[in-house]
Amino acid sequence: GENVEQHPSTLSVQEGDSAVIKCTYSDSASNYFPWYKQELGKGPQLIIDIRSNVGEKKDQRIAVTLNKTAKHFSLHITETQPEDSAVYFCAASKGGGADGLTFGKGTHLIIQP
Amino acid sequence: DVKVTQSSRYLVKRTGEKVFLECVQDMDHENMFWYRQDPGLGLRLIYFSYDVKMKEKGDIPEGYSVSREKKERFSLILESASTNQTSMYLCASSLSPRGYYGYTFGSGTRLTVV
Repeated sequence: GENVEQHPSTLSVQEGDSAVIKCTYSDSASNYFPWYKQELGKGPQLIIDIRSNVGEKKDQRIAVTLNKTAKHFSLHITETQPEDSAVYFCAASKGGGADGLTFGKGTHLIIQP
Repeated sequence: DVKVTQSSRYLVKRTGEKVFLECVQDMDHENMFWYRQDPGLGLRLIYFSYDVKMKEKGDIPEGYSVSREKKERFSLILESASTNQTSMYLCASSLSPRGYYGYTFGSGTRLTVV
């Protein structure tokens, strides 16, 4: 089955700096890659996603890049703010089957004031 | 505002009890999922359902069962709770069986088995 590796497990950056979280996947049939943000005491919330026919997608301060050849994708957050502190999960969906998303183990992003 | 509602935020149960975790969605989604979340292990799929009365095992189904009698409701059942089932349980629903367009998650139920 699909396996998604996520790094780093913890990332601490100064407010205003950029943060990058990286994921790799194993199944070349995967074609949908969402990112979720989980704030304390809440369920994960979709923040951005990308499909395999696109190499990059941006939404204000966040962007996701995808390298299908290398089977990795990354989340980029620019001009980080205190409210960006959370746990971030990457995920991948296989092209076939009905068993949904496979998640990475999460990255705890800490924004230092 | 679309919602996935989990009936309890916190539960404390005794070893050996039968435990029911309830999840209701108001988005008319056919696909619903139960995950457990543990530190360092991320989100692991327990069971999912792509239609009423249909259920499929995920990656860690042992010790759990599910019920989907109505489209909007998906219940997770711990047949005989054990301490290693202490965890955060997350329910999600999706328009697509592959998770396309994303999941909508509930706020989670933190279960402690003593």
